[in-house]
Amino acid sequence: GESVGLHLPTLSVQEGDNSIINCAYSNSASDYFIWYKQESGKGPQFIIDIRSNMDKRQGQRVTVLLNKTVKHLSLQIAATQPGDSAVYFCAETKRDTGRRALTFGSGTRLQVQP
Amino acid sequence: GAGVSQTPSNKVTEKGKYVELRCDPISGHTALYWYRQSLGQGPEFLIYFQGTGAADDSGLPNDRFFAVRPEGSVSTLKIQRTERGDSAVYLCASSQSATSYNEQFFGPGTRLTVL
Repeated sequence: GESVGLHLPTLSVQEGDNSIINCAYSNSASDYFIWYKQESGKGPQFIIDIRSNMDKRQGQRVTVLLNKTVKHLSLQIAATQPGDSAVYFCAETKRDTGRRALTFGSGTRLQVQP
Repeated sequence: GAGVSQTPSNKVTEKGKYVELRCDPISGHTALYWYRQSLGQGPEFLIYFQGTGAADDSGLPNDRFFAVRPEGSVSTLKIQRTERGDSAVYLCASSQSATSYNEQFFGPGTRLTVL
């Protein structure tokens, strides 16, 4: 199941399937992007990041893809597990100007069905 | 080790009152950030400290909001004359330094409700 950006706030997948969460970021000058996972009642938790000089980065079960041409970021989660159920946010910033604040998207809720 | 802690976890106040929200960053982290998260939204940046000084306060919505970090560790976010629109979860984050690409570690937040 694929989420079409932030206009589809909930993504429901079956356990074991792959999940793809999309994000359209706003600032073409941003050079650093991060995906966060937020569970209910908790603060955002870092998942994976990518710099603008890369177009793909892989972690454990997660992959982030960056398409600067269309200002699009995606998070792929392999073999989705019930523990992956949470709200996922993309965040961006432009670090070489000294700015440290992150600009977050509005999030996608991932629901994993057992 | 301990993560970022925030107190109180919940705060209910009345319109017009003054509130203080506290953040204890991870020990040794020199950079500290405050964000505000409204229901169903992503966090919004408020202010960032490098050491004791506010390096960027461009996200503070108005002069009712103020934050301090007098010894470069604990920070307090202060809100005067609270309004119902201030109701949100206030998140604090810290990072080892503000240089390069250091991960921001978030606390659990303080849920502020203004009646």
